[in-house]
Amino acid sequence: DTGVSQDPRHKITKRGQNVTFRCDPISEHNRLYWYRQTLGQGPEFLTYFQNEAQLEKSRLLSDRFSAERPKGSFSTLEIQRTEQGDSAMYLCASSLGLEQYFGPGTRLTVT
Amino acid sequence: KNEVEQSPQNLTAQEGEFITINCSYSVGISALHWLQQHPGGGIVSLFMLSSGKKKHGRLIATINIQEKHSSLHITASHPRDSAVYICAVMWGTSYGKLTFGQGTILTVHP
Repeated sequence: DTGVSQDPRHKITKRGQNVTFRCDPISEHNRLYWYRQTLGQGPEFLTYFQNEAQLEKSRLLSDRFSAERPKGSFSTLEIQRTEQGDSAMYLCASSLGLEQYFGPGTRLTVT
Repeated sequence: KNEVEQSPQNLTAQEGEFITINCSYSVGISALHWLQQHPGGGIVSLFMLSSGKKKHGRLIATINIQEKHSSLHITASHPRDSAVYICAVMWGTSYGKLTFGQGTILTVHP
């Protein structure tokens, strides 16, 4: 499978816990994006990497959120001290040109 | 205020009907994507457009840059077309990040 993969697919956590999601992009893609989608809404941009450099972060990304892409390959998105409002689908996408390829998403439920 | 507006938000059709979903955006773009999302979350890219028209099977996407408007058409709709269809735009200086519409929920009944 050479598509974008995300792990885990589902995560249930209690409020206040930390969670970390992983995204493995298509191997030759230098751009990687994180988006968040809440129920009934379209996805919203969170952050973007070109290779290992994080070039843009949305104002949606509070201090509790951090993302990394060491060595320009896979990326991790960590949420500290989760809140119920963090419950959403977290989507990763990668690209080489203009077209983005999406992973299956990680559905986070904060109880 | 969402800078990408889709209509309708919900669409119900009978199998075989011709379907149109519309997308309007506020300022100049470098590209527009039509995406399909099935229950469970996975997003599949259907089309990427910067001008004109593209066709793939029963799906047709058009864009009018001057009017800042795009349409997705489905001919001879089928129940398996039932999904959420999302329009997403790439602004001219956005490094490729997408701004999404709220999605159109399409249900096609047999």
